[in-house]
Amino acid sequence: LAKTTQPISMDSYEGQEVNITCSHNNIATNDYITWYQQFPSQGPRFIIQGYKTKVTNEVASLFIPADRKSSTLSLPRVSLSDTAVYYCLVGADNYGQNFVFGPGTRLSVLP
Amino acid sequence: DAGITQSPRYKITETGRQVTLMCHQTWSHSYMFWYRQDLGHGLRLIYYSAAADITDKGEVPDGYVVSRSKTENFPLTLESATRSQTSVYFCASSESGATNEKLFFGSGTQLSVL
Repeated sequence: LAKTTQPISMDSYEGQEVNITCSHNNIATNDYITWYQQFPSQGPRFIIQGYKTKVTNEVASLFIPADRKSSTLSLPRVSLSDTAVYYCLVGADNYGQNFVFGPGTRLSVLP
Repeated sequence: DAGITQSPRYKITETGRQVTLMCHQTWSHSYMFWYRQDLGHGLRLIYYSAAADITDKGEVPDGYVVSRSKTENFPLTLESATRSQTSVYFCASSESGATNEKLFFGSGTQLSVL
């Protein structure tokens, strides 16, 4: 199981860029890296996924170095509504176990 | 509308009672999952299913039973509820179990066992 490690919590202020790094030293060759966002009282939702280098969408950017042992989720100019828990997922030895969540990073955006 | 729906949204039951949480998806996704989330904690995988009639244990399966007779439904049963099973339960689905698949979650069922 490719275990992930993320900071438990982070604080930021509105308008700042936030970078959340996930370590996954045992990532397998065919594993993708996927990030989810969870607001209070809601189920998580997919925000971005990548395999290598950089991926950008309308919500975030994902930076993956060449060795793929870590990844960084970047949220540009956060607002109060970005306060949520962010989860990083990578693969596992078998299907189904690919979707085991870690504790995530609790991001608090302050005014 | 297409999507994944859970019912009931809230449920209160008593210790020792049987309770079933329902999950229905309209995408014909192969994989379905049940998670529980305790207050202030992350999600823990209870059971998952790769297809109809195929289920497997996750991280915390004890005290739960699942079935999947139809692709679109994946009910979760607590045969004899305990207070430690008070939690928010999320159902999810994905097209396959590959690491590049996305999970789609329902709105959750908040279960209280008294």
